[in-house]
Amino acid sequence: EAGVVQSPRYKIIEKKQPVAFWCNPISGHNTLYWYRQNLGQGPELLIRYENEEAVDDSQLPKDRFSAERLKGVDSTLKIQPAELGDSAVYLCASSLGAWREGVNEQFFGPGTRLTVL
Amino acid sequence: SQQGEEDPQALSIQEGENATMNCSYKTSINNLQWYRQNSGRGLVHLILIRSNEREKHSGRLRVTLDTSKKSSSLLITASRAADTASYFCATDEGYGQNFVFGPGTRLSVLP
Repeated sequence: EAGVVQSPRYKIIEKKQPVAFWCNPISGHNTLYWYRQNLGQGPELLIRYENEEAVDDSQLPKDRFSAERLKGVDSTLKIQPAELGDSAVYLCASSLGAWREGVNEQFFGPGTRLTVL
Repeated sequence: SQQGEEDPQALSIQEGENATMNCSYKTSINNLQWYRQNSGRGLVHLILIRSNEREKHSGRLRVTLDTSKKSSSLLITASRAADTASYFCATDEGYGQNFVFGPGTRLSVLP
């Protein structure tokens, strides 16, 4: 069974440019998460989807970040415009059940390493 | 915000030794999870322990949870070079309102 797929794996852009990350979760997983991980730190949750609904986006910097999960499957995370401080690894994860049913094991993708120059 | 705080930040041991990592958290939780991250396999779930459990085993891993002290420990027995990785605890802060990772413990197992 394929795991969580993310693309691209690496992205280098100049500040003020837009960038987008794509995630394909494990088939059948209803809950999808986007995390940001800075060097030497743990992942920080940006947004959580249950099917196509964003149920927790309290940590998403909404002035420049946006996300969507059309049809409750694939998801994209966009930054526009990117700033130097956005350099990090962006991780996508998915889990089988709905959050309200209890915490499930999360399966993580390999991440996208973003460098903003 | 970071809920869990792992201790120590870094740990170096010889192959065959045991490694113990600790995690402290601030608010009430439903459960606590441990994850491992290395360059080869990314972030991988190791074990989940619920708030009504005190100890759980999985292979060479032993996790304990003390809700009165708001702390957990992860013990890896008979460590191997392949155990070299960063280990994170993650909690559902505020009884499931949020999911928060700690900063991690970087474990180096020397051959």
